[in-house]
Amino acid sequence: DAGVIQSPRHEVTEMGQEVTLRCKPISGHNSLFWYRQTMMRGLELLIYFNNNVPIDDSGMPEDRFSAKMPNASFSTLKIQPSEPRDSAVYFCASGTSGSGNTQYFGPGTRLTVL
Amino acid sequence: SQQGEEDPQALSIQEGENATMNCSYKTSINNLQWYRQNSGRGLVHLILIRSNEREKHSGRLRVTLDTSKKSSSLLITASRAADTASYFCATPLIQGAQKLVFGQGTRLTINP
Repeated sequence: DAGVIQSPRHEVTEMGQEVTLRCKPISGHNSLFWYRQTMMRGLELLIYFNNNVPIDDSGMPEDRFSAKMPNASFSTLKIQPSEPRDSAVYFCASGTSGSGNTQYFGPGTRLTVL
Repeated sequence: SQQGEEDPQALSIQEGENATMNCSYKTSINNLQWYRQNSGRGLVHLILIRSNEREKHSGRLRVTLDTSKKSSSLLITASRAADTASYFCATPLIQGAQKLVFGQGTRLTINP
């Protein structure tokens, strides 16, 4: 079975550019989570969706960040404009509500903003 | 804010030895999870223990939970080089909620 798929795996961009990260959750999962991981701040939850609806976006750092989930099999996290401090590894995870909250993580996208 | 905190931050042992990592949290929970992260990879779920359980086993893993002390431990027995990774505990932000809060992790190194 395919796990959570993320693309791209690596992204290098210049400050001010728009960045779009993509995620395909595990089929049948109805919850999707976006995290950011840095050495300084560890793993932070940015936003999560249930049944394609954003439930909690309190972790989104600022208006430059936005996330969408147009259908059950696809989600995007967009940063516009990007800044060097956005450099991090971004993870997408999926799960099923009521499963004890177990989450299945993708391989991550390593973002470097120059 | 509620957050699991792992202890120690880093642990280095010889292959074959047992490794023990601890996690403390702040508020009431209905379950606690442990995850592993290999370098450059995403987190992998290892085990979930519910608040009414005191101990749980999975292969070479043994997890304990003490809700009175708000702490959990993860024991890896007969460690192998492949166990080298970071280990995180995760607890629901609010009891029963989907939103998990992860600790800073324990970096485990198994020396051959």
